[in-house]
Amino acid sequence: GAVVSQHPSRVICKSGTSVKIECRSLDFQATTMFWYRQFPKKSLMLMATSNEGSKATYEQGVEKDKFLINHASLTLSTLTVTSAHPEDSSFYICSAVRLAGKQKITDTQYFGPGTRLTVL
Amino acid sequence: KNEVEQSPQNLTAQEGEFITINCSYSVGISALHWLQQHPGGGIVSLFMLSSGKKKHGRLIATINIQEKHSSLHITASHPRDSAVYICAVSSGWGGATNKLIFGTGTLLAVQP
Repeated sequence: GAVVSQHPSRVICKSGTSVKIECRSLDFQATTMFWYRQFPKKSLMLMATSNEGSKATYEQGVEKDKFLINHASLTLSTLTVTSAHPEDSSFYICSAVRLAGKQKITDTQYFGPGTRLTVL
Repeated sequence: KNEVEQSPQNLTAQEGEFITINCSYSVGISALHWLQQHPGGGIVSLFMLSSGKKKHGRLIATINIQEKHSSLHITASHPRDSAVYICAVSSGWGGATNKLIFGTGTLLAVQP
């Protein structure tokens, strides 16, 4: 089946540093990827929609200068948490949309394994 | 009130039991997703459906568009089924390219 990877799986950094998280679709091309954030014991919260070759669309309340998203190719989107602070500590998950072929009716969304960010 | 509601929030079952998790939504949707999240965080997409019923192994998902309700059933439950099960809906039209609205999840624990 389709696979989406994230790197790194876990990162610990000091307050004030920037952290880059990669999301890759390994065996399909994804024109759309989503970035989510999950707090402990809470559901996923959509942060932004990443479209290849264009600017990301951010959800209300998400600072685009804080969370930089780049979707430079059909298999890679990156999320950079700039000047990270302890309150940015969270579990970040991406998903990639595999477009339906001519034989299929609907597209399918595949999730990455997630990246746990801890800011000290 | 959340746009996607799940029940129950927590469920403990004995191995072998038949399990049902419910999801109700209040928005127009193009598709409904059932996701599984294990401890450690990784998410697996179990089903995406827009009508009727789908079956995969011991898992069955149904949806009633008129009633805006979906159920996930697990037959012959096993401890390895222990996870958080999340219902999510794609709003509007466009299949998976539309953003998802998530329920709060159901924490399932299956005891041996």
